Amino acid sequence: DAGVIQSPRHEVTEMGQEVTLRCKPISGHDYLFWYRQTMMRGLELLIYFNNNVPIDDSGMPEDRFSAKMPNASFSTLKIQPSEPRDSAVYFCASTIVGGKGYTFGSGTRLTVV
Amino acid sequence: SQQGEEDPQALSIQEGENATMNCSYKTSINNLQWYRQNSGRGLVHLILIRSNEREKHSGRLRVTLDTSKKSSSLLITASRAADTASYFCATAPGPSYDKVIFGPGTSLSVIP
Repeated sequence: DAGVIQSPRHEVTEMGQEVTLRCKPISGHDYLFWYRQTMMRGLELLIYFNNNVPIDDSGMPEDRFSAKMPNASFSTLKIQPSEPRDSAVYFCASTIVGGKGYTFGSGTRLTVV
Repeated sequence: SQQGEEDPQALSIQEGENATMNCSYKTSINNLQWYRQNSGRGLVHLILIRSNEREKHSGRLRVTLDTSKKSSSLLITASRAADTASYFCATAPGPSYDKVIFGPGTSLSVIP
């Protein structure tokens, strides 16, 4: 298995632009998580899905953030419009019922200028 | 909000020495997990300990859990330069496949 795949690895965008981050979880995993990592706030859980259904989105900072999981093999995190304070590394992770921990992707480093 | 708090925030040791990192948390847990993050990479799951367990081993890693003190420790024995990374504890109020909350991490530097 190729693991959790995130794209792009790096994204530089101008303030006000729409940004879409993508994630492909491990096949068969039925939980998917989006985290944001910054020096100031550490790792923050933004939203997670079970069987493609959003379970908890209380960590989504603002209405500018939205996430979807149209099928078991794909999820997106969208920021519209983006702001400089959204600059961070965004991680996707997946796991399975009975699993013993998360498998993380390599992350997307987002810079909003 | 962060549930776990690692201590120390940073640790620097010589290769071959043991490294101990501690994690304290506030509310009851189902399990506690430790992860490693190398610079510029995603987190890698190291070990999971359930609330009814007191100690677990995995290779050079030893994890203890004291639910009465709401604390856990991660011991890396005979450290290597390749162990240089940040280490995070993650507390799970529910099953291991449900959401976990990560602490701020301990940055470990192993000097060759």
